[in-house]
Amino acid sequence: EDQVTQSPEALRLQEGESSSLNCSYTVSGLRGLFWYRQDPGKGPEFLFTLYSAGEEKEKERLKATLTKKESFLHITAPKPEDSATYLCAVQGGSEKLVFGKGTKLTVNP
Amino acid sequence: GAVVSQHPSRVICKSGTSVKIECRSLDFQATTMFWYRQFPKQSLMLMATSNEGSKATYEQGVEKDKFLINHASLTLSTLTVTSAHPEDSSFYICSASFQGGSHEQYFGPGTRLTVT
Repeated sequence: EDQVTQSPEALRLQEGESSSLNCSYTVSGLRGLFWYRQDPGKGPEFLFTLYSAGEEKEKERLKATLTKKESFLHITAPKPEDSATYLCAVQGGSEKLVFGKGTKLTVNP
Repeated sequence: GAVVSQHPSRVICKSGTSVKIECRSLDFQATTMFWYRQFPKQSLMLMATSNEGSKATYEQGVEKDKFLINHASLTLSTLTVTSAHPEDSSFYICSASFQGGSHEQYFGPGTRLTVT
């Protein structure tokens, strides 16, 4: 059974304080690992897809990396508008996405 | 691109009534649509997968007679919660993917259902 575990559950940062979010996974035949951002009361917003170990992708202050067992979402010099819940999901042999519970990020000004 | 809408965004209904939620892909043809449910501080849980013109595939534990899914066109899927009860109160989110895409699913804004 595919599983995703995200840590920490919650993270508070000061503006400008860089950090990383972790996503550990087990999956049978990885087709893709996805990062989404979710604001309260909204649907998830697509950020990145990673397909193979060693792959990295960047978007503004976010950088996602992938190994065979985990993915990291690095946030460099975050701003208050980066506050959200960040969700990690894996896609295995089917098209189904299996989500983690997310990391709630709060960036204080 | 890849915009998905949902309607309504919020709905309150009385126990025993039925509620229909619409999910539309606005700028692409969605070969597959997915319906999720999310409880507070919990993961998104997949309820069912639907392909245009065919019956939906439901996840284990999801009652197909209670959660009716119709995917009549490449841009529209509907979820009907029949005989709703307070325990059905949740945040329902749809997503869509398109053939030839990179397996990403694009999510709608969600529908908050409250059953009184």
